[in-house]
Amino acid sequence: GAVVSQHPSRVICKSGTSVKIECRSLDFQATTMFWYRQFPKQSLMLMATSNEGSKATYEQGVEKDKFLINHASLTLSTLTVTSAHPEDSSFYICSALAGGTDTQYFGPGTRLTVL
Amino acid sequence: AQSVTQPDIHITVSEGASLELRCNYSYGATPYLFWYVQSPGQGLQLLLKYFSGDTLVQGIKGFEAEFKRSQSSFNLRKPSVHWSDAAEYFCAVGAAAGNKLTFGGGTRVLVKP
Repeated sequence: GAVVSQHPSRVICKSGTSVKIECRSLDFQATTMFWYRQFPKQSLMLMATSNEGSKATYEQGVEKDKFLINHASLTLSTLTVTSAHPEDSSFYICSALAGGTDTQYFGPGTRLTVL
Repeated sequence: AQSVTQPDIHITVSEGASLELRCNYSYGATPYLFWYVQSPGQGLQLLLKYFSGDTLVQGIKGFEAEFKRSQSSFNLRKPSVHWSDAAEYFCAVGAAAGNKLTFGGGTRVLVKP
């Protein structure tokens, strides 16, 4: 149980294009989802917290207009990187929290490369 | 603000030997502490967590961790490592159950045959 998937696992795009990453909780309903970014050989940095049906809460320094987060259902959250640039290349990881529980379950991550 | 420090970036251990990974946290109240393991191509997997109660917690894969409030530490241990334990290990702290997490820098464990 408690499986979280991400799609795609890898994406390469051209500078200036937008990329959408999906995060799904497969066997539970996630009232809250988190989006993290991980640079090579570094730790995870929280980007934003999204609650189903409401606007995401972004961490300080994260551009909300660049990283659009939508949590339209209890099993799906999406992160859209708009007008991507090479510095946005990174590993993006989501996690999901089932309602009434205390543990985040993580997806396998999405490797974004912007050329 | 909460923070987590993992002093060891890399640790190399022989298969069958014991392993201890250090984690120090900074948080003003009672912390919620976690250890996750990240293997290549896989998501972070929860090894164990501490919220309250017994300060020695048992996790999956034979791991355990001990919470020491006086030292602000939550070190992870395993008595005998297996080659499959080679991975990146992250300690994390949260302000409450289900709250956002702050991660340490991670410790990469290499296992020698």
